[in-house]
Amino acid sequence: DGGITQSPKYLFRKEGQNVTLSCEQNLNHDAMYWYRQDPGQGLRLIYYSQIVNDFQKGDIAEGYSVSREKKESFPLTVTSAQKNPTAFYLCASSIARGSPLHFGNGTRLTVT
Amino acid sequence: GIQVEQSPPDLILQEGANSTLRCNFSDSVNNLQWFHQNPWGQLINLFYIPSGTKQNGRLSATTVATERYSLLYISSSQTTDSGVYFCAVDWGNQFYFGTGTSLTVIP
Repeated sequence: DGGITQSPKYLFRKEGQNVTLSCEQNLNHDAMYWYRQDPGQGLRLIYYSQIVNDFQKGDIAEGYSVSREKKESFPLTVTSAQKNPTAFYLCASSIARGSPLHFGNGTRLTVT
Repeated sequence: GIQVEQSPPDLILQEGANSTLRCNFSDSVNNLQWFHQNPWGQLINLFYIPSGTKQNGRLSATTVATERYSLLYISSSQTTDSGVYFCAVDWGNQFYFGTGTSLTVIP
């Protein structure tokens, strides 16, 4: 089945540690996205990539980094510079920018 | 940036009732998408509807792009409809999300 796989589902880290969230898609989509969701809030864009080896900052990119070495993979690293990293992180993909978004099941990150 | 406002913020319905959720946006947009987020956090595509009306079973959506709003209709609601409904608008170079309508359907 085609889809977007995010792992792990739950992640716990100590403050000061970097952590990498995985996102893999087998939909053959060109565009991939990372969103952050805080309780009671909508989704905010962290980074997006329209093509391999290229990515752009979203509205809340500070303290995060990404890479896009393969079409199917778009990992997100939450660095120690991110002041409030505890959140629900959602990865999405689309055929191209502006096409319908399809989401993975998310990773809940807790940093203490 | 663009403002995306959803109303009502919270809604409680008896099973079998109908409801209308609204999404207003402050500027012209390229596209609009409706999602349902279930209690486990999974976001499910409902409609991709830049303009006009679409129907899918008990759900339908209408976007009036010239007046900058979209409506999501849920008829004969079921407990499985509970969750948060988001609209997202394609503006500039990204999709912007509203803060959602939290729907609870009670048996």
